[in-house]
Amino acid sequence: GDSVTQMEGPVTLSEEAFLTINCTYTATGYPSLFWYVQYPGEGLQLLLKATKADDKGSNKGFEATYRKETTSFHLEKGSVQVSDSAVYFCALFNQAGTALIFGKGTTLSVSS
Amino acid sequence: DSGVTQTPKHLITATGQRVTLRCSPRSGDLSVYWYQQSLDQGLQFLIQYYNGEERAKGNILERFSAQQFPDLHSELNLSSLELGDSALYFCASTVVGGRADTQYFGPGTRLTVL
Repeated sequence: GDSVTQMEGPVTLSEEAFLTINCTYTATGYPSLFWYVQYPGEGLQLLLKATKADDKGSNKGFEATYRKETTSFHLEKGSVQVSDSAVYFCALFNQAGTALIFGKGTTLSVSS
Repeated sequence: DSGVTQTPKHLITATGQRVTLRCSPRSGDLSVYWYQQSLDQGLQFLIQYYNGEERAKGNILERFSAQQFPDLHSELNLSSLELGDSALYFCASTVVGGRADTQYFGPGTRLTVL
């Protein structure tokens, strides 16, 4: 079945460092891909998405490119801030078209 | 604020009991999804409703059930509760539920079973 694999956390960075969180997926066809972020005590918020191969999603300085050849959707940001500290989830919309399949989440902690 | 509301925010109950979690979708959204977030299983899809009808089922236990009412709010009923049911329960809504649609999540209900 469809699945998403994310790099294990936690990821600890200093402010202004470069961020990469790896995400790979297993799915048949061309699923839509998403990054959601969860701040402490809150629900999930969509960060960015891409619906077809080679699409680049971007928002708030974060970017991710849908790579069909490597089945990846890695999240990047050039300069992180303390306010980016949160849990990041990679997800795909499953083959059956019924719901999101999430990775286990990666905790990011940014210190000043 | 996503526009999705969930009540209650916290719920503490005992094993064997039954609880009801409530979700109000964003205005105009017809589709509601329920998810369970636990430390060991992560975020798992439970069930989806669209305009009052069940559309899809995920890893939902037989002790759990849900419905969506004519005003489009949804309720998730959990019965014969076990310690392992302790988790965060999220609902999400979207206009239709297509593969590219953004799902908007509520703040969640934290269930603790003692």
